Amino acid sequence: GAGVSQTPSNKVTEKGKYVELRCDPISGHTALYWYRQSLGQGPEFLIYFQGTGAADDSGLPNDRFFAVRPEGSVSTLKIQRTERGDSAVYLCASSSFVDDIQYFGAGTRLSVL
Amino acid sequence: AQKITQTQPGMFVQEKEAVTLDCTYDTSDPSYGLFWYKQPSSGEMIFLIYQGSYDQQNATEGRYSLNFQKARKSANLVISASQLGDSAMYFCAMREGNFGNEKLTFGTGTRLTIIP
Repeated sequence: GAGVSQTPSNKVTEKGKYVELRCDPISGHTALYWYRQSLGQGPEFLIYFQGTGAADDSGLPNDRFFAVRPEGSVSTLKIQRTERGDSAVYLCASSSFVDDIQYFGAGTRLSVL
Repeated sequence: AQKITQTQPGMFVQEKEAVTLDCTYDTSDPSYGLFWYKQPSSGEMIFLIYQGSYDQQNATEGRYSLNFQKARKSANLVISASQLGDSAMYFCAMREGNFGNEKLTFGTGTRLTIIP
């Protein structure tokens, strides 16, 4: 498909474990964003990549969270020592300079037991 | 202060009627963009409509229109001739700055239910 792809769609892990969430943006989109959506809330910004570099990581809650985009396409959000409070839907979006619209994937639902 | 405020947690509307979803925003930046997204129960955020702060006319996209009142800092979404498939969460969001590709700040959303 031509949209933003996120894998896995669901991830269940135990407290203290490490997880990786993957995002495959729309082909040709240079900007990539990660958001976190808790139950009953709107998405909250985590980090934004322009190409390979993180242009704004001000939304990362603490140093357990880290994201990479080594080749300027696929991105991985990494969470170390997961906590129950990390349970949420993690959304990825991508955009281009053509229309500046962020297009979202279906998200990864993370459950920390 | 909240940057995006959506005061209607839930709305029920009869099918085929028009519906207005409220959104007010707060920014001191003269350049900004306003967005509306739809989130069905499947979870994906679907882009609906965009309004730039310097746009002279209200944005329209099919059955969606944005009632942009800059002085009041409001950007209400109007859906005409509502359909059962319009039942979903609706989020208003804002991008501040004029460089493009910046983060979005979202409101808490409005759950719209269309009644047959």
